[in-house]
Amino acid sequence: AQKITQTQPGMFVQEKEAVTLDCTYDTSDQSYGLFWYKQPSSGEMIFLIYQGSYDEQNATEGRYSLNFQKARKSANLVISASQLGDSAMYFCAMRLNAGNNRKLIWGLGTSLAVNP
Amino acid sequence: NAGVTQTPKFQVLKTGQSMTLQCAQDMNHNSMYWYRQDPGMGLRLIYYSASEGTTDKGEVPNGYNVSRLNKREFSLRLESAAPSQTSVYFCASSFSGRGKNIQYFGAGTRLSVL
Repeated sequence: AQKITQTQPGMFVQEKEAVTLDCTYDTSDQSYGLFWYKQPSSGEMIFLIYQGSYDEQNATEGRYSLNFQKARKSANLVISASQLGDSAMYFCAMRLNAGNNRKLIWGLGTSLAVNP
Repeated sequence: NAGVTQTPKFQVLKTGQSMTLQCAQDMNHNSMYWYRQDPGMGLRLIYYSASEGTTDKGEVPNGYNVSRLNKREFSLRLESAAPSQTSVYFCASSFSGRGKNIQYFGAGTRLSVL
């Protein structure tokens, strides 16, 4: 069964330090995409970064990078130089590319608190 | 660019009342989605529309109906609201086809059913 697991309900990080948020996924499909979203306390869902299963390089978007280890089925989000504004919930999601189905399978999220 | 616009932002209903949540996107996306978010349960897909003229059930469709009015608009209707439908509702849209097909979200609707 397809599933996303985020094992860290809550994380703390000191401002300006790097933090890794874990995400493991379960699928037997070969073609899929992995996404990370941020949800600040204001409630909106903000897309951060995408990794395709066939992408050879880890995705990067500014201070966000995705540590993609296909054999281990992990897609961890790395935030470098944490800022106070990074305090939020972070969700990992997976989309299977077979057929016309574009639904996302979501993890339960990790709450990140950045301490000054 | 407005992106995905949801209305209303907040709503309080009494049990048995009906209401429609509106969603519109201006990104020319083919696909649109309705989710609900409850504490400890992540996002759950209620209904989605892969393209104009089609709708399909997601994980938790009971108690809801949807209408894909045109390419831009996708509404969610609660015919007879129940307290179990108290939640935050998100509309999202994406392209569908080859590529990333990133889903972009509206700001959400906080619904309380008393």
